[in-house]
Amino acid sequence: GAVVSQHPSWVICKSGTSVKIECRSLDFQATTMFWYRQFPKQSLMLMATSNEGSKATYEQGVEKDKFLINHASLTLSTLTVTSAHPEDSSFYICRAIRADTQYFGPGTRLTVL
Amino acid sequence: GENVEQHPSTLSVQEGDSAVIKCTYSDSASNYFPWYKQELGKRPQLIIDIRSNVGEKKDQRIAVTLNKTAKHFSLHITETQPEDSAVYFCAASRSGGGADGLTFGKGTHLIIQP
Repeated sequence: GAVVSQHPSWVICKSGTSVKIECRSLDFQATTMFWYRQFPKQSLMLMATSNEGSKATYEQGVEKDKFLINHASLTLSTLTVTSAHPEDSSFYICRAIRADTQYFGPGTRLTVL
Repeated sequence: GENVEQHPSTLSVQEGDSAVIKCTYSDSASNYFPWYKQELGKRPQLIIDIRSNVGEKKDQRIAVTLNKTAKHFSLHITETQPEDSAVYFCAASRSGGGADGLTFGKGTHLIIQP
């Protein structure tokens, strides 16, 4: 079946650095990819919607200059957390869809020291 | 925008008993309602979904009911087993498959007592 991968699965970085997270749909072309953030013991919060070749649409309260999204192809979307701070530490999950097919990535655990 | 409320936040049941988790939504235009199971540190797994033209859907021990008039939907798990222990999330969307993004409930931690 279709699989969505994320890389890295976990990352630890120093405050002030930038971190790039990749989301790939391995055997289908995703028309849309979504990025979610999940804090411990909380629900998934939609951060942004990404369509191939166009600018991402950000949810209210999500800083587009801090969370850079690039959707370069139908199989790859990247989320870059710029100038990361400890409060950005979270579980970041992508979700890829095409028609009625949808799959979550395995998530990336970001820890900012 | 859509607002999804989920109850209870924690549910403990004896193995073999049934578990029911309830959600309400606010946007009458929502027409797709999936349920996800998430184990600690892992991705959410779609376990069942229902569209607004259907009132009930069943898949083995899992069933979902939808009341569009009251804007609520419920997950029913029968004959619960230890491996059912996880966090369950309901969600709502205006488009089938969640093509416009999903609004999630806060989750229910289901504990199956042996």
